[in-house]
Amino acid sequence: AQSVTQLDSQVPVFEEAPVELRCNYSSSVSVYLFWYVQYPNQGLQLLLKYLSGSTLVKGINGFEAEFNKSQTSFHLKKPSVHISDTAEYFCAVNPGGYNKLIFGAGTRLAVHP
Amino acid sequence: GAVVSQHPSWVICKSGTSVKIECRSLDFQATTMFWYRQFPKQSLMLMATSNEGSKATYEQGVEKDKFLINHASLTLSTLTVTSAHPEDSSFYICSARGTSGRIADTQYFGPGTRLTVL
Repeated sequence: AQSVTQLDSQVPVFEEAPVELRCNYSSSVSVYLFWYVQYPNQGLQLLLKYLSGSTLVKGINGFEAEFNKSQTSFHLKKPSVHISDTAEYFCAVNPGGYNKLIFGAGTRLAVHP
Repeated sequence: GAVVSQHPSWVICKSGTSVKIECRSLDFQATTMFWYRQFPKQSLMLMATSNEGSKATYEQGVEKDKFLINHASLTLSTLTVTSAHPEDSSFYICSARGTSGRIADTQYFGPGTRLTVL
C-alpha cells in the first residue's frame, strides 16, 4: 500500500534562515509527487510537482524540492524563509495510474522574527 | 490558470437541515472532482471521487446517502450534506483535475467551506 510520511509535525525557524521539510513515500509503482501549502482557513495551493524529468523541481515562492528515487524522498527546501511562509505544508503522492492523492499528515512551518 | 472556487465559504445551519456546497472549475474543464474533509490540525481525508456524468465513488466509511455528490457538468460538482448533525461540522474542500494537458495530472483545490451545524 502507498503511504506518505512527513517526518516533522512542526518546524520552527527564524526569518531568513533556510528550511527543509521532509517527505518520504512508499509505493510499488512510479509516482507523481506534490507539495501543497495551506494558509489558515483556506484551501490548498500547489507549490510544486514532480511528474518526470529533472529531479530538482522549482516551485512558487522560492521553494524547491528534489526527488530521490533511491531514498523514496521528496524534501521541500527554501534557502531563506519569510514570516509569510508560516503555514501548513502537505506532501502528496499520486501513484501512477490512480486518481487518488495520498497526503501526508502535514508539517506546520512557523517562521519567527 | 486552474482556479477552483467553492460556494459558500462558510455556512451555519440547524441540525436536521440539508446544506449544498458548490465546487466550480473557473478556467478549465474538470472530468474529475474530489471532495475532502479536514478536521482541525489534521490532514485531508478523501470522501469521494466525482466523475462528470456518472455516479461518485465513495471512500470506505463515507455514507453516500448522507453526502450526496452530483457532477452534472465539466465545471460544476455539488456536495449536499443531508440531515446535517453537529458531528458533520468540518472544513470541506474540493479539488478538480483537468481533462488534458499540463493540468491533467494535478489536482487544483478550492478555498474550502466551513460548515457549522448547531
